[in-house]
Amino acid sequence: DTEVTQTPKHLVMGMTNKKSLKCEQHMGHRAMYWYKQKAKKPPELMFVYSYEKLSINESVPSRFSPECPNSSLLNLHLHALQPEDSALYLCASSPYLDTGELFFGEGSRLTVL
Amino acid sequence: DQQVKQNSPSLSVQEGRISILNCDYTNSMFDYFLWYKKYPAEGPTFLISISSIKDKNEDGRFTVFLNKSAKHLSLHIVPSQPGDSAVYFCAARLNNNDMRFGAGTRLTVKP
Repeated sequence: DTEVTQTPKHLVMGMTNKKSLKCEQHMGHRAMYWYKQKAKKPPELMFVYSYEKLSINESVPSRFSPECPNSSLLNLHLHALQPEDSALYLCASSPYLDTGELFFGEGSRLTVL
Repeated sequence: DQQVKQNSPSLSVQEGRISILNCDYTNSMFDYFLWYKKYPAEGPTFLISISSIKDKNEDGRFTVFLNKSAKHLSLHIVPSQPGDSAVYFCAARLNNNDMRFGAGTRLTVKP
């Protein structure tokens, strides 16, 4: 299994809603990432988990809350988002301290109304 | 602070010719450089990488060159094929698994 699976593929939510994005991989990778990508822009790093511990938080607003329940799962909890948070959210995983190759999921496209 | 830059948003080449995609970076602490390819509605997929201690890595039709003194890397695709048409992202990694991406170059290979 060489896939990173993200659900849902599409999510529409209001500014007062609480929702979650989920990511799963079964490749034994110990580093997992959340990236945010707006149209025609590069993926922007949000969070990195290494061995289930948050190792990088790129000054992301607290309305985004990551969670790594175990080595295969990564969640991104969303609350009180703004319309400008609408973007493609990409999850990725990587063998720890390897060549840096990231395995990306297809992304969750989020629209905040 | 954009540490990885791809200054050409698009590139168009004829099938069979060489495609050269360029990337510049500013942080001398990057230890690995990677190229990813992205089709619409899909996540980026890894293409080829190079360690900062090397100056060339080749994999089939794809070759990445690294010029550390110029802080520049390039991806050569030869011969280019229509199926290579996609957005190509340059990325660079710090040794703590922090991975930074360039803005991407859209390659179009014309039959």
